[in-house]
Amino acid sequence: NAGVTQTPKFQVLKTGQSMTLQCAQDMNHEYMSWYRQDPGMGLRLIHYSVGAGITDQGEVPNGYNVSRSTTEDFPLRLLSAAPSQTSVYFCASSYGQGAIQYFGAGTRLSVL
Amino acid sequence: AQSVTQLDSQVPVFEEAPVELRCNYSSSVSVYLFWYVQYPNQGLQLLLKYLSGSTLVKGINGFEAEFNKSQTSFHLRKPSVHISDTAEYFCAVSANAGGTSYGKLTFGQGTILTVHP
Repeated sequence: NAGVTQTPKFQVLKTGQSMTLQCAQDMNHEYMSWYRQDPGMGLRLIHYSVGAGITDQGEVPNGYNVSRSTTEDFPLRLLSAAPSQTSVYFCASSYGQGAIQYFGAGTRLSVL
Repeated sequence: AQSVTQLDSQVPVFEEAPVELRCNYSSSVSVYLFWYVQYPNQGLQLLLKYLSGSTLVKGINGFEAEFNKSQTSFHLRKPSVHISDTAEYFCAVSANAGGTSYGKLTFGQGTILTVHP
């Protein structure tokens, strides 16, 4: 009964490094999304996917890349990390319109 | 596009007192409305949601919210809070417009509820 699993939980990067945040769900949900959480700004949508092979940009997509090759996995790639990408990142999944989104526990990222 | 405003960034309250966390939204289409709670160092979990029907929605842990279409509000209430309710609360909306709009949540800025003994 894992739900949405995010790895790693914590990560420290140097400016310019790249990395991939992993997200996996075992609920057979079609919809998956990535948010970033910054103090006083709530959660903002980075990218989302409505099914395998289909992705689209959210509110703050710059500097991030995604792909969805399977229903279960939705990795988020930071191409060249910048201090402005220091944040807590959440992955979420849901099965349809108006449906509950289930969130992972988050990845806390610091870019020095 | 949708937007959400949570009118209070912090709400301090004493244990067993009532509390209201305010949320206003803006949208050109009809919406689904949600309240999520985030305990320290955890992810978000759903408190309650409004999709259609009765405007008074009851959720987990004794919380309820009322959808007011004319005032575009979805305020969260609890008649008697506990220490364990200390957390950050987020109001969110998604468009009820079909297609790929489902699941695209727009969040408010969050309200930190602190319950004092």
